[in-house]
Amino acid sequence: QKEVEQNSGPLSVPEGAIASLNCTYSDRGSQSFFWYRQYSGKSPELIMSIYSNGDKEDGRFTAQLNKASQYVSLLIRDSQPSDSATYLCAVRSSNTGKLIFGQGTTLQVKP
Amino acid sequence: SQTIHQWPATLVQPVGSPLSLECTVEGTSNPNLYWYRQAAGRGLQLLFYSVGIGQISSEVPQNLSASRPQDRQFILSSKKLLLSDSGFYLCAWTLYGNSAYEQYFGPGTRLTVT
Repeated sequence: QKEVEQNSGPLSVPEGAIASLNCTYSDRGSQSFFWYRQYSGKSPELIMSIYSNGDKEDGRFTAQLNKASQYVSLLIRDSQPSDSATYLCAVRSSNTGKLIFGQGTTLQVKP
Repeated sequence: SQTIHQWPATLVQPVGSPLSLECTVEGTSNPNLYWYRQAAGRGLQLLFYSVGIGQISSEVPQNLSASRPQDRQFILSSKKLLLSDSGFYLCAWTLYGNSAYEQYFGPGTRLTVT
């Protein structure tokens, strides 16, 4: 089992729809979770961090965390073509303190 | 505000040539610094991290090395490049002692070894 798993996609949604990106992790002791957006040819950009169970909202983005199920998700409301990118889930290891990244999910928002 | 710089932005080097990539952070003191590599179509691989001047930890055995000669400067080097060293090299930082552990990336250096 990979430490951080994401569906590679591509996930295709129409403009204006809700995009749902999912991530599961294996480290039960992890306390810090992050979502990065990476446009093609660019470096990853931190868009959300979440540390407690439940939802955290920031503009059109909502991160959801369920530690019991070892699951973290990112919802993008009113998806725009400019949201088309690869979204990386990262989990801070409780053993080493380093970030473990998933392989990323490619999102395509079609006009 | 904090800013992270990397240079060069792109680099094409022949096999067997040396390498030096530089990363500097502005606007903060004593950051934790990281070097990652992202090969084409693959995930992020942590190569080195540093918690202070002269303190380097290596994650993956390879022909690369890292140095931190100053608090906000992190250098990635190689004496002889291999074809497999091609990739997108990313420097990242976290604020020392920040319990949020948020990590921020620089713009990256795209290296092609020919």
